[in-house]
Amino acid sequence: SYVLTQPPSVSVAPGKTARITCGENNIGSKSVHWYQQKPGQAPVLVIYYDSDRPSGIPERFSGSNSGNTATLTISRVEAGDEADYYCQVWDSSSDLRVFGTGTKVTVL
Amino acid sequence: EVQLVESGGGLVQRGGSLRLSCEASGFSISSYWMSWVRQAPGKGLEWVANIKQDGSEKYYVDSVKGRFTISRDNAKNSLYLQMNTLRAEDTAVYYCARDPGRSGYSDYWGQGTLVTVSS
Repeated sequence: SYVLTQPPSVSVAPGKTARITCGENNIGSKSVHWYQQKPGQAPVLVIYYDSDRPSGIPERFSGSNSGNTATLTISRVEAGDEADYYCQVWDSSSDLRVFGTGTKVTVL
Repeated sequence: EVQLVESGGGLVQRGGSLRLSCEASGFSISSYWMSWVRQAPGKGLEWVANIKQDGSEKYYVDSVKGRFTISRDNAKNSLYLQMNTLRAEDTAVYYCARDPGRSGYSDYWGQGTLVTVSS
């Protein structure tokens, strides 16, 4: 089955750049979507189809996908960006949506 | 404004049943695939099932096949999840979500309803 591996945690100082990876063999051939989830809240879509941003999501959030790694980049990190982040793809071989293991972003 | 409101969660004994509901407002679910996604306490997200606009196609994660049934009533703008033969590992917050397509992403999520299965 498809397994999307994310680092458990990423720490970043305010104003710096956070990069969250999502790894799987040949993930670059799939579309990757990213969600932000703050404690006690529902997930929020922040990036879809690798690099598109929904309306209302700051330009500080960007995405890329190539080879075996997809990356969510948060520029000029703010305290409000502290949250769990999940990547997600659709696995055509099993006809299932698969979420990554999740990354907790801590703003120092 | 798009809103999704889940209900029906609660405490149930192992082997029991529950029916979750999700009432949508601000859009017509008849134009969208819809999904259920769950999150066990302190764990990550797990997609559970989704259903096509007219209910003609349904897909499930292996762990719930044969036990859970997703359905919809477009006239009531509502989505449902019938959960039977519940197990302790089904304990989770269950989210209803709107899907612009079958194989893509969920663009709006409800606040979730907690299902606790006691052993």
